[in-house]
Amino acid sequence: AQTVTQSQPEMSVQEAETVTLSCTYDTSESDYYLFWYKQPPSRQMILVIRQEAYKQQNATENRFSVNFQKAAKSFSLKISDSQLGDAAMYFCAYRGGATNKLIFGTGTLLAVQP
Amino acid sequence: DTAVSQTPKYLVTQMGNDKSIKCEQNLGHDTMYWYKQDSKKFLKIMFSYNNKELIINETVPNRFSPKSPDKAHLNLHINSLELGDSAVYFCASSQDKGAVHLGGQFFGPGTRLTVL
Repeated sequence: AQTVTQSQPEMSVQEAETVTLSCTYDTSESDYYLFWYKQPPSRQMILVIRQEAYKQQNATENRFSVNFQKAAKSFSLKISDSQLGDAAMYFCAYRGGATNKLIFGTGTLLAVQP
Repeated sequence: DTAVSQTPKYLVTQMGNDKSIKCEQNLGHDTMYWYKQDSKKFLKIMFSYNNKELIINETVPNRFSPKSPDKAHLNLHINSLELGDSAVYFCASSQDKGAVHLGGQFFGPGTRLTVL
């Protein structure tokens, strides 16, 4: 069975600095997708960034980028120029190529200090 | 013009009651989901429908019954509510036509269910 592990329950970053959130996963599938979701206090789940496993190039979305290491099964999220609005719970999620369901990690609560 | 909407956003009820949560998406997606987020924020899939067909049914008590009248709607009915059912329930949708996964899943605002 696939698993997703987020080993940092909480992280803190100064405004305008850069922070990296860690995620590792375990799978025997070769075709899969990885996602980072943001959940602010409003509880809305917001898709931040996605990565297809067959793509070697790391995905980027404005200030958000990933470091995808397929052999190491690692998928970290880097937030550059952190803003107060980035404060939220961040979830890493896995989706296999043969199934539609998302398997979530336990989340990392990010605090942004002014 | 909300993409994925859920009603109600909050639901407080007594143990033993039956309640329903409704979900609608206007994204034209063909797949819809129900997830449960517990008090520790852990998210887990419950059900998934593709074009009104049930395709994922995780280990969920049979007191929970999803129903999809059309591919834009997915409702969740819960019978004989228990204290442990208290959680936030999220509806989500995605476009999964064929073998091409065109995007991630888009979530509704969640329904916070409190069973007293």
